[in-house]
Amino acid sequence: AQKITQTQPGMFVQEKEAVTLDCTYDTSDQSYGLFWYKQPSSGEMIFLIYQGSYDEQNATEGRYSLNFQKARKSANLVISASQLGDSAMYFCANEGTSYDKVIFGPGTSLSVIP
Amino acid sequence: SAVISQKPSRDICQRGTSLTIQCQVDSQVTMMFWYRQQPGQSLTLIATANQGSEATYESGFVIDKFPISRPNLTFSTLTVSNMSPEDSSIYLCSVEGAKRETQYFGPGTRLLVL
Repeated sequence: AQKITQTQPGMFVQEKEAVTLDCTYDTSDQSYGLFWYKQPSSGEMIFLIYQGSYDEQNATEGRYSLNFQKARKSANLVISASQLGDSAMYFCANEGTSYDKVIFGPGTSLSVIP
Repeated sequence: SAVISQKPSRDICQRGTSLTIQCQVDSQVTMMFWYRQQPGQSLTLIATANQGSEATYESGFVIDKFPISRPNLTFSTLTVSNMSPEDSSIYLCSVEGAKRETQYFGPGTRLLVL
């Protein structure tokens, strides 16, 4: 079974600083994908970044990067140069090839302080 | 990228009634997913809907309560039956992108049951 753990229910970061949001996962699949989504107060789900389990390099998308440590089963999201608009819920999610569905973690609420 | 629309965007319903939520995608997709997001919670997968076959329900969700139709490759409906206040949630439709690295979400249907 797939399981996603996000141990930080709430995080604060100063504007322009970097922040790391933690995510650990548990899957029996050999091949899988990891996603991060942002959900602002408007409720829309915004795709941020994807990491495949066989990708040799950590994924990056603009200010977002994923610190993927396969042996530790962790896929932490790093947001550099935080902006006020980054204040939102952030969800880590996992898709396994044998399940073909995306399972979400409990989320982390990020607040950026001016 | 896939553009997903949902109808209605929000509704207030009386307990004991049913509501059908529509999900329309601007391209043909094999699988469509229905999620529920209860207030302050993460996304929980309700079921996976494939065209031409019965939907596959996750543990804790049953067809009698959440019947799903998938008449073609661009459309699906989710019905919330015999509603109670505990069904008050955001219901989201989702599809996988052409590349597995992306999962797109509709804007959601905000349901309040009185």
